[in-house]
Amino acid sequence: DAGITQSPRHKVTETGTPVTLRCHQTENHRYMYWYRQDPGHGLRLIHYSYGVKDTDKGEVSDGYSVSRSKTEDFLLTLESATSSQTSVYFCAISGIPRSYEQYFGPGTRLTVT
Amino acid sequence: AQSVTQLDSQVPVFEEAPVELRCNYSSSVSVYLFWYVQYPNQGLQLLLKYLSGSTLVESINGFEAEFNKSQTSFHLRKPSVHISDTAEYFCAVSQGNAGNMLTFGGGTRLMVKP
Repeated sequence: DAGITQSPRHKVTETGTPVTLRCHQTENHRYMYWYRQDPGHGLRLIHYSYGVKDTDKGEVSDGYSVSRSKTEDFLLTLESATSSQTSVYFCAISGIPRSYEQYFGPGTRLTVT
Repeated sequence: AQSVTQLDSQVPVFEEAPVELRCNYSSSVSVYLFWYVQYPNQGLQLLLKYLSGSTLVESINGFEAEFNKSQTSFHLRKPSVHISDTAEYFCAVSQGNAGNMLTFGGGTRLMVKP
């Protein structure tokens, strides 16, 4: 998992509570991404970052916010969790010149009850 | 906009049999193509990629994929599968734009039976 860690790895929370997932990289890559994985949908991009304090929305950004105050950390926040946000969340990084590939973390399994 | 279609959601196959996992993409510009593999309860790992040059690319564990521009396909093949190849496989495409954005297919679950 190319120097990428995610925390927590598992979380159960109640509807309406805030949740923050953390992605930490040791590769000094410029780009970072948050995806969610659901059966039948593959991976869908939630938000991504071009650099410190530089983020943008992905395909399924409603209900999520992100922050990147340091190159190595990318936080995903669910301001008020809903059952539809039960999913497996993956962080990825990219940044090797002319490579275009992404490297993925181990994932966080989030259950909203 | 680009899209990626993996034509089979599940592919059951017996051990030592050949397998092909199909991937088609739509894009109006040149693309870079990837196959990722996800073993149970793990993240995605890059299996192989096509950036340029030879249209046939190989992985270290016996998989190969061929880029076919006219058919906009990047099918993944292995002549003889092992039980350990049981996993979910994702095809992805990049236009090489800023941000290294990838578009993923829905995934194909390869189930190798003894």
